[in-house]
Amino acid sequence: EAQVTQNPRYLITVTGKKLTVTCSQNMNHEYMSWYRQDPGLGLRQIYYSMNVEVTDKGDVPEGYKVSRKEKRNFPLILESPSPNQTSLYFCASSFWIAGGPRETQYFGPGTRLLVL
Amino acid sequence: EDQVTQSPEALRLQEGESSSLNCSYTVSGLRGLFWYRQDPGKGPEFLFTLYSAGEEKEKERLKATLTKKESFLHITAPKPEDSATYLCAAGGKLIFGQGTELSVKP
Repeated sequence: EAQVTQNPRYLITVTGKKLTVTCSQNMNHEYMSWYRQDPGLGLRQIYYSMNVEVTDKGDVPEGYKVSRKEKRNFPLILESPSPNQTSLYFCASSFWIAGGPRETQYFGPGTRLLVL
Repeated sequence: EDQVTQSPEALRLQEGESSSLNCSYTVSGLRGLFWYRQDPGKGPEFLFTLYSAGEEKEKERLKATLTKKESFLHITAPKPEDSATYLCAAGGKLIFGQGTELSVKP
């Protein structure tokens, strides 16, 4: 079954404690991205990757890091989380054609993060 | 600045009452206008992609249309199971609108 998986699904942490949210896809997609979703602000892109070892900033990259060492995995790293990073996070993947994500982006189930 | 705006923010319909959701966009280099459905606590689920003005796509009770400045998602004779938030996105980097929360009452 084609899918994007994220772990953990729920996470409560404290300010400053480094954490990683994993994302994996089984569709051989080149393009992967991370979004955060906040009430009234919609989905905003944090980082994206067009292929292995190629990443770029989205609209709200501050406080986040990513890496793309393998095609299927795209972890999101919060090195020193702060309360304003409390949010619902989604990973997504798709094929990459002609400078943009190709048609369907498959989204993961989401990770709900609370930073105290 | 690239921008995608959806209206209304929320829409309540009776079962069978047809209506439309609007998505207005101003983006440079449109590479498609995307519609998604999102159920509470879940990730967005892809519905349609439209690439050029005049294009239309249908799926069950949903029909998406595209002009040079906006897209409409028409819902014909909706059922309670159509209740969800509908998101549109546009641009090469996929700028998302804030969504329309649709509620269909029996």
